[in-house]
Amino acid sequence: KNEVEQSPQNLTAQEGEFITINCSYSVGISALHWLQQHPGGGIVSLFMLSSGKKKHGRLIATINIQEKHSSLHITASHPRDSAVYICAVCRYGGSQGNLIFGKGTKLSVKP
Amino acid sequence: ETGVTQSPTHLIKTRGQQVTLRCSSQSGHNTVSWYQQALGQGPQFIFQYYREEENGRGNFPPRFSGLQFPNYSSELNVNALELDDSALYLCATLTRGRSTDTQYFGPGTRLTVL
Repeated sequence: KNEVEQSPQNLTAQEGEFITINCSYSVGISALHWLQQHPGGGIVSLFMLSSGKKKHGRLIATINIQEKHSSLHITASHPRDSAVYICAVCRYGGSQGNLIFGKGTKLSVKP
Repeated sequence: ETGVTQSPTHLIKTRGQQVTLRCSSQSGHNTVSWYQQALGQGPQFIFQYYREEENGRGNFPPRFSGLQFPNYSSELNVNALELDDSALYLCATLTRGRSTDTQYFGPGTRLTVL
């Protein structure tokens, strides 16, 4: 069983829909990252969380440390949001750069 | 724009050959991590360098080695290439010690081993 699990694996939405991507992990962590990867490979860091909730534009990320679960929400989705969204955790006591990644959620937003 | 660049963008090698991939980051990013991402999978941690020394390693054999230079650039070397080494190789940099810091990823080098 992977230490970081994401759901769903694939998600298709209509423009304007509210989207939720989930991440569950099984190890103690010091931080959790949400990343966005576009076709071709480039990864952009969206959020780094250790507790609570963060918001940036139409993106909201929440984390529940007790339940070992995080969610990424996209409000008013747009075709340009189409990408792979990856959850990654930094194991507690590990170095900041040693991340454990989920397999990603492929999001496709149709106009 | 993350300020992290990687070269080359694409590379084709044959089994048994050796390859060197390069990563350059912004000044001040004293920590670099390398990841391997196979098709359809999440990235896997290879190793991390801090102040020019290896500072953590994932489950990769010794034929994967690295260097970090005083100008914050970094190399990933892979010897005796195998078909399964075909992947996207990503580097990510950060400034160690800042609790609010995040990692900045490069665009990746896509390696194909034939």
